[in-house]
Amino acid sequence: DQQVKQNSPSLSVQEGRISILNCDYTNSMFDYFLWYKKYPAEGPTFLISISSIKDKNEDGRFTVFLNKSAKHLSLHIVPSQPGDSAVYFCAARGRGAGNMLTFGGGTRLMVKP
Amino acid sequence: DTAVSQTPKYLVTQMGNDKSIKCEQNLGHDTMYWYKQDSKKFLKIMFSYNNKELIINETVPNRFSPKSPDKAHLNLHINSLELGDSAVYFCASSQGEGLKTQYFGPGTRLLVL
Repeated sequence: DQQVKQNSPSLSVQEGRISILNCDYTNSMFDYFLWYKKYPAEGPTFLISISSIKDKNEDGRFTVFLNKSAKHLSLHIVPSQPGDSAVYFCAARGRGAGNMLTFGGGTRLMVKP
Repeated sequence: DTAVSQTPKYLVTQMGNDKSIKCEQNLGHDTMYWYKQDSKKFLKIMFSYNNKELIINETVPNRFSPKSPDKAHLNLHINSLELGDSAVYFCASSQGEGLKTQYFGPGTRLLVL
């Protein structure tokens, strides 16, 4: 029973366009959400996060939106660049979970020049 | 000046053996974690550890045990290795409790034959 799901295993976008990566969760106890980016043969690197008390957080080209009623969050990258090509993981933390994260299965983003 | 490092990078071993994977962080963090990324690419938390408590994901077999000689290290010991233990294991660290970003190591690719 995957509590965090990324239903799109891959996404292809043209350079300069917007990339939208989606994530759904089932556990209403999750109170903090993160996006990590992973290149091959490397560990995940933190990208952006959002607390459950907010519905939007922006950092440069990256914006995360949270819809609590729908238990859905999304990561927008605009404009997309070839260097953004990587696997993106959505992660969530539950209250009292010792800061342990539950990850989605990842979405591979390919940005074409 | 790698922030979170793991050794070895690759580990190939026979079923039934006992092996250890080392993790070191030079970030001064006080909480460390182990994650397993299985063949389906899902990242799953195994342990969270700081100087106060060890939190274990209940799905982790007791053949797996974390050992922390000091705050900067959290090693993973695996006894009686099984074929299903083949995966990529990631170490991570964060500072303090609560909503803190975790920084990941590059991963150790374990193959059990």
